[in-house]
Amino acid sequence: AQTVTQSQPEMSVQEAETVTLSCTYDTSESDYYLFWYKQPPSRQMILVIRQEAYKQQNATENRFSVNFQKAAKSFSLKISDSQLGDAAMYFCAYRVADDKIIFGKGTRLHILP
Amino acid sequence: DVKVTQSSRYLVKRTGEKVFLECVQDMDHENMFWYRQDPGLGLRLIYFSYDVKMKEKGDIPEGYSVSREKKERFSLILESASTNQTSMYLCASSPLMGGRATQYFGPGTRLLVL
Repeated sequence: AQTVTQSQPEMSVQEAETVTLSCTYDTSESDYYLFWYKQPPSRQMILVIRQEAYKQQNATENRFSVNFQKAAKSFSLKISDSQLGDAAMYFCAYRVADDKIIFGKGTRLHILP
Repeated sequence: DVKVTQSSRYLVKRTGEKVFLECVQDMDHENMFWYRQDPGLGLRLIYFSYDVKMKEKGDIPEGYSVSREKKERFSLILESASTNQTSMYLCASSPLMGGRATQYFGPGTRLLVL
């Protein structure tokens, strides 16, 4: 069965610093998609970044980038120049084709001013 | 602008009551989903739907049912609410475009069952 593991329930980072959130997954599929979603306090969950497994190049979206290691089944999120608005719960997620998305348990990120 | 709305942000119900949670999306998406979110457990899929009048069980369907009579509306029904159904409920929708499709989430309904 596919699983997604986020080993850090909570993390803190100083404003303007860089932080990396970890995610590992288990699958026997070769073609799939990986996502990071952000859920700010009392606000809607939104997509941060997406990675297609068939692409070797790591996805980037402004200050957000991923380190996708397919062989190791690892998909970490790096946030550069952390801002107060980055404080949120972050969920790593996995999906095959049109099947359901499988979410990790989340990492709560605190930004220290 | 993409929009998924849920009928209530907060809801308080009594044990045994029948509870309806409504979700509406205005993006003409084929797929709709209901999750519950609990601390330390992340998001767990209750039910999803690929089309009108179609539904599929997720990981934790027990105690819930759903209805999708129109494409834009997906309802979650708690037939007889119990205290262990106190949770945050999130609705989401996505287009039918394979695995790369983004899920768009509603603001959530925090349900308290007394």
